[in-house]
Amino acid sequence: DTEVTQTPKHLVMGMTNKKSLKCEQHMGHRAMYWYKQKAKKPPELMFVYSYEKLSINESVPSRFSPECPNSSLLNLHLHALQPEDSALYLCASSQERGSGGAKETQYFGPGTRLLVL
Amino acid sequence: AQKITQTQPGMFVQEKEAVTLDCTYDTSDPSYGLFWYKQPSSGEMIFLIYQGSYDQQNATEGRYSLNFQKARKSANLVISASQLGDSAMYFCAMREAYNNNDMRFGAGTRLTVKP
Repeated sequence: DTEVTQTPKHLVMGMTNKKSLKCEQHMGHRAMYWYKQKAKKPPELMFVYSYEKLSINESVPSRFSPECPNSSLLNLHLHALQPEDSALYLCASSQERGSGGAKETQYFGPGTRLLVL
Repeated sequence: AQKITQTQPGMFVQEKEAVTLDCTYDTSDPSYGLFWYKQPSSGEMIFLIYQGSYDQQNATEGRYSLNFQKARKSANLVISASQLGDSAMYFCAMREAYNNNDMRFGAGTRLTVKP
């Protein structure tokens, strides 16, 4: 089973709202990732958690706040977003990070399509 | 710095024929992994195939195979017997082991399978 789930599938929010995106995997993976993808572009890495610790923050604005409550869950808290933040947000997980090899294969969820008005 | 290049923005293939999607990469890391993903219009990134830099044989997964030419730094995806459901965006990606850079993706190739 290589399933990563994400909720919600779609989200519309105003610039003053606070919302959260959720991601869950039950594959025992120890690394989880958030990506942002604009239309017709490749995914851009935002955050990486390895063994529940934030290991990479790719200079993402503070209006995006990640949280990893446990090894199976990953949240992305959104606050005071801008219209240019509208995108597909993808969560992924991998067995490990840093070991190299096939265990680095990332499995993605279906994504959350976010529209900021 | 690692760099992934997909030079074909769009490709067309007739149903039941084979198609090759190109990917070249640049790295100074001797150990790395190469990945191909499929992204249908629904948005989900679907893992297709993996090739390690030290693997002696080309990877295969069902109708997908990877033409790995290490000296040329190319990792082309070959899809045999194309199906209408293969129409999607395809991304090549690389992860270096020692430089600890995270996975980076190429610009992608949009494949359209014609009936």
